[in-house]
Amino acid sequence: AQSVTQPDIHITVSEGASLELRCNYSYGATPYLFWYVQSPGQGLQLLLKYFSGDTLVQGIKGFEAEFKRSQSSFNLRKPSVHWSDAAEYFCAVGPRSNDYKLSFGAGTTVTVRA
Amino acid sequence: DAGVIQSPRHEVTEMGQEVTLRCKPISGHNSLFWYRQTMMRGLELLIYFNNNVPIDDSGMPEDRFSAKMPNASFSTLKIQPSEPRDSAVYFCASSQKPSGGLGNEQFFGPGTRLTVL
Repeated sequence: AQSVTQPDIHITVSEGASLELRCNYSYGATPYLFWYVQSPGQGLQLLLKYFSGDTLVQGIKGFEAEFKRSQSSFNLRKPSVHWSDAAEYFCAVGPRSNDYKLSFGAGTTVTVRA
Repeated sequence: DAGVIQSPRHEVTEMGQEVTLRCKPISGHNSLFWYRQTMMRGLELLIYFNNNVPIDDSGMPEDRFSAKMPNASFSTLKIQPSEPRDSAVYFCASSQKPSGGLGNEQFFGPGTRLTVL
């Protein structure tokens, strides 16, 4: 069965510091991969996605993620965090088929300190 | 583009009452998803529709929950009777199957925060 693991429940980072959020998946084949962000009281917004090609994916708000097939990972990074990046981040995977279900990780809450 | 629209944004009701949540997907999208988010269980897929037809309702917790999609621009999630443990944020999301069937990015609505007293 497919699963998505986000090992870090909560991360605190200083403004201007770098950020890396981990995501590992268990899947029968390479899935589609997504990172979503949820600000307090809001719905989920797509940051970036990986379907194929270049394994380093650029997204919105200065985020990037790298797909590593050998490690079954899709970690999210940002070189310099802004206070507005405080939110909850979800990794999600979906199958390369007509089945449009996504499996979401439990989420990582990011706190940004001044 | 208005995005996915959900109503109401907040709902407070008493145990035993019927609750109806509404969703308008993005125009042109042919898949619609209902999720429930709680602290304990995270984000759970309840049901999803493709071309207005329910494809997978295995996530619907019990018979008290029902969902309909009478047309491509409207869906409802109904809870009858409601219970305190149904308190959660309910999200609707939609997606578009592109040509070739590749990719399944979902666009989320702002959610309905349901409180059952």
